[in-house]
Parts: sequence; structure tokens; C-alpha cells
Amino acid sequence: GQQVQQSPASLVLQEGENAELQCNFSSTATRLQWFYQHPGGRLVSLFYNPSGTKHTGRLTSTTVTNERRSSLHISSSQTTDSGTYFCEGQQGTGSKLSFGKGAKLTVSP
Amino acid sequence: DAGVTQTPRHEVAEKGQTIILKCEPVSGHNDLFWYRQTKIQGLELLSYFRSKSLMEDGGAFKDRFKAEMLNSSFSTLKIQPTEPKDSAVYLCASSRVLNERLFFGHGTKLSVL
Repeated sequence: GQQVQQSPASLVLQEGENAELQCNFSSTATRLQWFYQHPGGRLVSLFYNPSGTKHTGRLTSTTVTNERRSSLHISSSQTTDSGTYFCEGQQGTGSKLSFGKGAKLTVSP
Repeated sequence: DAGVTQTPRHEVAEKGQTIILKCEPVSGHNDLFWYRQTKIQGLELLSYFRSKSLMEDGGAFKDRFKAEMLNSSFSTLKIQPTEPKDSAVYLCASSRVLNERLFFGHGTKLSVL
């Protein structure tokens, strides 16, 4: 099945700094999604992005499908960005979804 | 998002009890997933339904975990008998089809004493 490696596992930033989170997949992902989870909260979809680049606000997701990797860029981080970010991918159309272990982001004021 | 509804939000059980967790997917969604989330293991797939048919049952979770989808708008996850190691957050998610966005519920936090 699909293996998903996320890096870094944790990241500490000062408010205003940029963050770059990475996901690497063992196989080409036919579907790929980035999620955010606040401590104790539900997983919220940030991007559904199996290929290309998507933007929303200060967030940018870039997926290079044939290189089996995706990144999530957070610009001008804020304390409210603190939480855990997960990427999820699937190989083919019948395989189960595979999640990364998550990247814990802490943004200090 | 339109929201996946999970009940209860919290459940406390004694070891050996049977508990049933419930999930209502987003209306019109055909795919439904049950996951377990722990700090150590992360997100682990328990079950995956497509149009009410069980597609994956999570392998290692077969013996005491049983998910059912009696109709397109309701699913249950039964754990029988519960063990302390089952303490975790149980998440339900749905999508319209497999290559579209996945929506999660708030989860049920299970504590087994």
C-alpha cells in the first residue's frame, strides 16, 4: 500500500516566519489532500490537490505528481496556525487512503 | 463544510463492555471511512465503505471491531469487548466519491477503564 512520509515532524516558528511542510509518497498518488487539526479538534481539509499548485489566503499547496511529493507553504505564520498538519494520499482507485504521521507546527508570538 | 455527524462525542467504558459509535455522513456521499487516531500510531483505517458495501476492514482490527452501514446515511462501529488499549479518538469521514474531498466528523473520544 501507499506509504506517506511527512517532514518535518515538528516545527517551531516565530510569528511572521514562513513554514514549509513536505510529504513524500511511495507511489504516485491519484488523490492527495492536506488537513489541519487543532488540538482536540476535527480534521479540516485545506486542499484537495493531486497535481499542480493551489492557493488559499496565506496557504499554498504544490504537488509534483510524477515526483511523488507535495508541499504545504504557510506564509507570514500566525499563532492561530499552530496545530498539526496531515497529508493523505491514495494509490489507484481501490486502495485505502494513507495518512502521514503529521507535522506539529507551533507558532510563538 | 456540510459536516459529518458523530455521536457520542465522549464515551467511557469498562473493560469488556460493548460500545457502539455512530456516524452520519454528509448527505449524498457514497464513501465512508472509520479511522482511529492515537498519538503513537496516528491515523489508522478501521473500515471503508463504498455505496454501503464494505471495501476494506482494516485487517488487524477485525476480531473485536465491526463496522456496518445499514443505509446510505448511517453507519455504526461496534467494539466488543472493549479493552483499555482501545482508548483513542474514533473518526468518521465521508466523500462523494473516492477522488474528491474527504470530510471528517468531530470524532468520538473513547476511554476504556
